[in-house]
Amino acid sequence: DIQMTQSPSSLSASVGDRVTITCRASQSITTYLNWYQQKPGKAPKVLIYAATSLQSGVPSRFSGSGSGTDFTLTISNLQPEDFATYYCQQSHSAPRTFGQGTRLEIK
Amino acid sequence: EVQLVESGGGLVQPGGSLRLSCTGSGFTFSSYWMSWVRQAPGKGLEWVANVKQDGSEKNYLDSVKGRFIISRDNAKNSLYLQMDSLRGEDTAIYYCAAMTFGGPFDYWGQGTLVTVSS
Repeated sequence: DIQMTQSPSSLSASVGDRVTITCRASQSITTYLNWYQQKPGKAPKVLIYAATSLQSGVPSRFSGSGSGTDFTLTISNLQPEDFATYYCQQSHSAPRTFGQGTRLEIK
Repeated sequence: EVQLVESGGGLVQPGGSLRLSCTGSGFTFSSYWMSWVRQAPGKGLEWVANVKQDGSEKNYLDSVKGRFIISRDNAKNSLYLQMDSLRGEDTAIYYCAAMTFGGPFDYWGQGTLVTVSS
């Protein structure tokens, strides 16, 4: 199974900040990497797919990069609605594993 | 509007069974792989199982193999998860999700809570 490791597990930031979350796969997944946002009591929502492609309707302040085993999600100019938990997930092979999540909190 | 609506969750004793259902609308259900993803209280997301568009291929998380069965009925735009021999560690919100092969989980339901407890 491919293990996905996210860091940090939690992060405090202010409105207007730029933050980066990293995700590492235990083996190469080329660009089969997706990022999700989840707010309390809600289902996850896809932000980025195929490592760098922005899902339709997602603000351009979200961006993704990386390939192989190392990936990043960057959120520029943080907005109040961005405070949530973020997960990476590999879609290279079954089981479709997720990272453990990064909780983004308001400083 | 795309919708996935789960049902069938509830409280069950250890060793018991439960059948979850998920009905889709607003998209071509038969064109998507369908999955179940769960989230234990206060924990992260865990993929459980998926099934190919025509039902010919199914994959399972190791810890549910032999206990859970995923199935679908494209004529009813429905996905199912038969869960037997339930354990406390199966307690979670269960989401159904639609995905393209190699792609993300594009659409998600609102989830149904399964609690395994005596």
